[in-house]
Amino acid sequence: GAVVSQHPSRVICKSGTSVKIECRSLDFQATTMFWYRQFPKQSLMLMATSNEGSKATYEQGVEKDKFLINHASLTLSTLTVTSAHPEDSSFYICSASGTGWDTEAFFGQGTRLTVV
Amino acid sequence: GEDVEQSLFLSVREGDSSVINCTYTDSSSTYLYWYKQEPGAGLQLLTYIFSNMDMKQDQRLTVLLNKKDKHLSLRIADTQTGDSAIYFCAESLSMSGGFKTIFGAGTRLFVKA
Repeated sequence: GAVVSQHPSRVICKSGTSVKIECRSLDFQATTMFWYRQFPKQSLMLMATSNEGSKATYEQGVEKDKFLINHASLTLSTLTVTSAHPEDSSFYICSASGTGWDTEAFFGQGTRLTVV
Repeated sequence: GEDVEQSLFLSVREGDSSVINCTYTDSSSTYLYWYKQEPGAGLQLLTYIFSNMDMKQDQRLTVLLNKKDKHLSLRIADTQTGDSAIYFCAESLSMSGGFKTIFGAGTRLFVKA
């Protein structure tokens, strides 16, 4: 099946710094990528949907200036957590889907962000 | 509205069958999914069912869909300790330019040897 690679898998950063998470589709062109956040023992929360070459669509309650999403190519989307704070510590997961692949989206392995 | 609900915890004995239930509110969902998440890992798609199907069987997994009641279930036959994980129910909703997936809170399956 298709593979989505997410990097890094774990990152620890200092409060106030920014962190970039990459999501790559390795063997298909991902026209749409999704970013999710998962709190401990809770479900995945969709943060935003991004289509290649256009601005991301953020879900209600998600700060677009805090969570910058770039989907500049058909194989790469990035999520940048700006001015990170301890409450931003979470598990972030991306998923990607290609044109016509409306049966499923393929998920990355997730990034565990810890802000200290 | 878009909401997917599932029970948070299920405990079974090894060798028994597990049934994880899920309800959803949006009747326009096209596909419904079951994902498995092991500790510290990403999501693994287990199976999916198209919204006009009633049942799908894949080896030890059986998915039942009651579209009238908006109820989805996942049955795992001969449950093994390796099946211990969190299972997420999800529905796919059409949106302009594509679709988005809404997840339930996840059911933590604990298999006792």
